[in-house]
Order: sequence, then C-alpha cells, then structure tokens
Amino acid sequence: DVKVTQSSRYLVKRTGEKVFLECVQDMDHENMFWYRQDPGLGLRLIYFSYDVKMKEKGDIPEGYSVSREKKERFSLILESASTNQTSMYLCASSSPGTGPNQPQHFGDGTRLSIL
Amino acid sequence: AQTVTQSQPEMSVQEAETVTLSCTYDTSESDYYLFWYKQPPSRQMILVIRQEAYKQQNATENRFSVNFQKAAKSFSLKISDSQLGDAAMYFCAYRPGGGGADGLTFGKGTHLIIQP
Repeated sequence: DVKVTQSSRYLVKRTGEKVFLECVQDMDHENMFWYRQDPGLGLRLIYFSYDVKMKEKGDIPEGYSVSREKKERFSLILESASTNQTSMYLCASSSPGTGPNQPQHFGDGTRLSIL
Repeated sequence: AQTVTQSQPEMSVQEAETVTLSCTYDTSESDYYLFWYKQPPSRQMILVIRQEAYKQQNATENRFSVNFQKAAKSFSLKISDSQLGDAAMYFCAYRPGGGGADGLTFGKGTHLIIQP
C-alpha cells in the first residue's frame, strides 16, 4: 500500500512565524500535491510538483511556497503565517506511469492553527 | 477553469437503503477523469470509484456505482445497501486528461449520515 506521511497531525503556530509542513511518500511517485481543506469549500490545490526541484502553482498559491529537494519529500512553507492560513492541509502523491486516471493517495492531514 | 458542484451539503439515509449523491462539473475538455473520494472522521481521503470520460460504461465497485452522463456533465454516486461505515464526507473530483501532473478540482463535499 502507498503510504503518504505528514509530519504533524496538529500544529499551532503564531502570526508571522515561518512554518514548514512536511510530507513523505514511500512509493517513488513522481507527482506530489498540497491541498488546503476548509469547511464548505472542499479541497483547493495550493502547489504541485512533477519532479525533483520542479513546482507548479495551483489555484491558491498566494502566501505559500514549496520545496522538493528529494523525490520522496515535498514541503509546504508558509513564509509569514497569518490567521487566514488556519486550515487543514493535505498532501497527496501519484504516479503517472500507469495512466492519468490513477488516483492520488493522500496523507492524514495536518490541522494547522495560526494564533 | 473547471468547476465541480455538489449541490447537497448533507444527506441522510437509513441503514440498508440506497442513496445517491449528486455531482455536476463544467469543462470544455473532452478527455478527463472523474473520481469520488470518501473522507471519514479519521480524515484519510479514500478513493471510492473512478470514471474515464471516454468510457460509456458506468463504473461499479461492489456497492458503489456511478451514473455518468457526459452530455449533461453529471457524475452521481449511488451507494446501495448503506452501512454505518459509509458515514463520511464524500467529494467529487475532476482531473483533465493527458499525462501531466494536474491536480484535482474538488467539489465542496456532501456529508453523508447513516441512520441505524
């Protein structure tokens, strides 16, 4: 089974802090994604990466950046955290090798609170 | 841009009955993929079923089936013989075709309640 591991299940940070959310997958997937989930809004794509050191903006990239130095690890960075970034963050990975209909596999999410 | 609409914020069904969750989408693409994901209180997003737009046959996975109407851009999920373990948030999702690493576009979700 594919395992996508997010480093923290719950995280509390203060306004203005630099925050790192880490995600690791163990299936050698090329593609990795960061989503944000808010009640009544569903999941929205922040950034994704299709290869090491490659990144693409999703639908809501403002206030975020990402880093992918190794294939298995994809980090989401909040450069200067703000209260409107309080949310659930979900990481996912997928492999294009077996076709574009292959599902994304998700981590358990990090519930981030910015005080 | 593609959009996915789930018009039912919450649905309730008696255990063992059948329930249908609605999903419509808007796209100008002819090649795409549709998914239903389930998110129980544990927060793990679990793939329920997937459909390729070029396939006319509706996908089926055990008690779960879809009614895919391409012309109407509709992709509803039917759950037969509902079980308590089916209680969860259900998200409809769209992905464009091609081999790229495109992310999914999700609907806002439907909260499914199973009454014992």
